[in-house]
Amino acid sequence: SQTIHQWPATLVQPVGSPLSLECTVEGTSNPNLYWYRQAAGRGLQLLFYSVGIGQISSEVPQNLSASRPQDRQFILSSKKLLLSDSGFYLCAWTRLNTEAFFGQGTRLTVV
Amino acid sequence: GQQLNQSPQSMFIQEGEDVSMNCTSSSIFNTWLWYKQEPGEGPVLLIALYKAGELTSNGRLTAQFGITRKDSFLNISASIPSDVGIYFCAGPYSNAGGTSYGKLTFGQGTILTVHP
Repeated sequence: SQTIHQWPATLVQPVGSPLSLECTVEGTSNPNLYWYRQAAGRGLQLLFYSVGIGQISSEVPQNLSASRPQDRQFILSSKKLLLSDSGFYLCAWTRLNTEAFFGQGTRLTVV
Repeated sequence: GQQLNQSPQSMFIQEGEDVSMNCTSSSIFNTWLWYKQEPGEGPVLLIALYKAGELTSNGRLTAQFGITRKDSFLNISASIPSDVGIYFCAGPYSNAGGTSYGKLTFGQGTILTVHP
């Protein structure tokens, strides 16, 4: 069966510091991968998606970037965090390009 | 862009009551997904709907794909305390070329509280 792992679970970072969140998927090959952000426990906003190694599409302008160095690895990064980057970040993969399955999420607090 | 409107925004019910929530859009969707999210966790897929008029159950949960393709409903029967959480509807959205690549747009969620 497929599993998706995200880490760390929580992170507190000072403004201006770098960020690296990692996500890996097991049990499937060539998945589509996604990073979503959720503010204040409400709706999810798609940040990035990737259909293959090295292929990244950004959905919204922001202070973040994403990379996919391996088939089942997706990384969310920032060179300098802003207060507004705080939120709950979720990695996901899709089956049949429709049903998305999410990781446990990372709670990021920028102070 | 495509937006999903969920209602109600929150519900406070007694254990044993039935719950109904819905999701509407001004655009047509070919798939409707319902998720549940518990505090500090990622959303978990409850039900997926693929055909207009489709009615699908998952235990005490039942969801329907509206005939107009612009709405969907989720019902929970005989609620229990562990039903507490945020329920989201979601659907795939497309770029200008009509390909979704699995990208989802989400409603703002319905917060469900169940009193024992």
